[in-house]
Amino acid sequence: QKEVEQNSGPLSVPEGAIASLNCTYSDRGSQSFFWYRQYSGKSPELIMSIYSNGDKEDGRFTAQLNKASQYVSLLIRDSQPSDSATYLCAVKGSGGSNYKLTFGKGTLLTVNP
Amino acid sequence: IAGITQAPTSQILAAGRRMTLRCTQDMRHNAMYWYRQDLGLGLRLIHYSNTAGTTGKGEVPDGYSVSRANTDDFPLTLASAVPSQTSVYFCASSDRVNTEAFFGQGTRLTVV
Repeated sequence: QKEVEQNSGPLSVPEGAIASLNCTYSDRGSQSFFWYRQYSGKSPELIMSIYSNGDKEDGRFTAQLNKASQYVSLLIRDSQPSDSATYLCAVKGSGGSNYKLTFGKGTLLTVNP
Repeated sequence: IAGITQAPTSQILAAGRRMTLRCTQDMRHNAMYWYRQDLGLGLRLIHYSNTAGTTGKGEVPDGYSVSRANTDDFPLTLASAVPSQTSVYFCASSDRVNTEAFFGQGTRLTVV
C-alpha cells in the first residue's frame, strides 16, 4: 500500500461548483498535512497546511483532517477556471521519519467555464 | 530573491555517463529533499536530509546518491545514468518539522 493515496481523477467540475479532493495516508503517527497545487510545467506550490482535526478555511479553500480515519480532504468553493491544475496531497512522517515528506500521485482538476 | 535554485534547468545525457544535479537554498532550512516526477506516478521521494551531515532514503533511491556537507547544498548524483532515469527532478527544502516544503524550479533530465 502506497503511503499516501489520492482519488485518481481526473475531476471535472463546472465553474462556480465545489470541487472535492480526497487523500488517505498510512502513517498513523503523522502530524503535518499539506495540499499543493501544480500547474503544468511548473513547480508545486503550497495552498493549505493542516495539523489538527477539523476544518481549516482560507478564502475559497477548506482543508479537512480526520486523524482517526487517516483522511484529509480539500474543498474548493466557487471553482474558477484558474483553479484547473493538479492537486497534490503531502504528509510528513512520524518518529525518526518526521522530516520525510511523501506525496500522493495527485488529482487533475479541470474547471469548465 | 531568496529560495531554492536548481541547475541545470534541463539536460540531455548519454546513458552510462555520470551526472550531478545541483540544488542550493538560501533560507537556512534544515531539511532538503529530492523528488522525481513522472507522468502517472506523481512525485516520488528519492533521498532526503534532515540536517547537514545526515541523509535518508526515500521511495526510489536506487541509482542515486546524495550528500549534505553543509546546510545550503544538496547535490544529487547519478553514477551511471540509464534511460529509466529520464524524468523531471525537483529539489525542495523545509524549515521545521511542522512546516511546508518549498520547491525549486525543477531539472528536466533526458537520458538517451
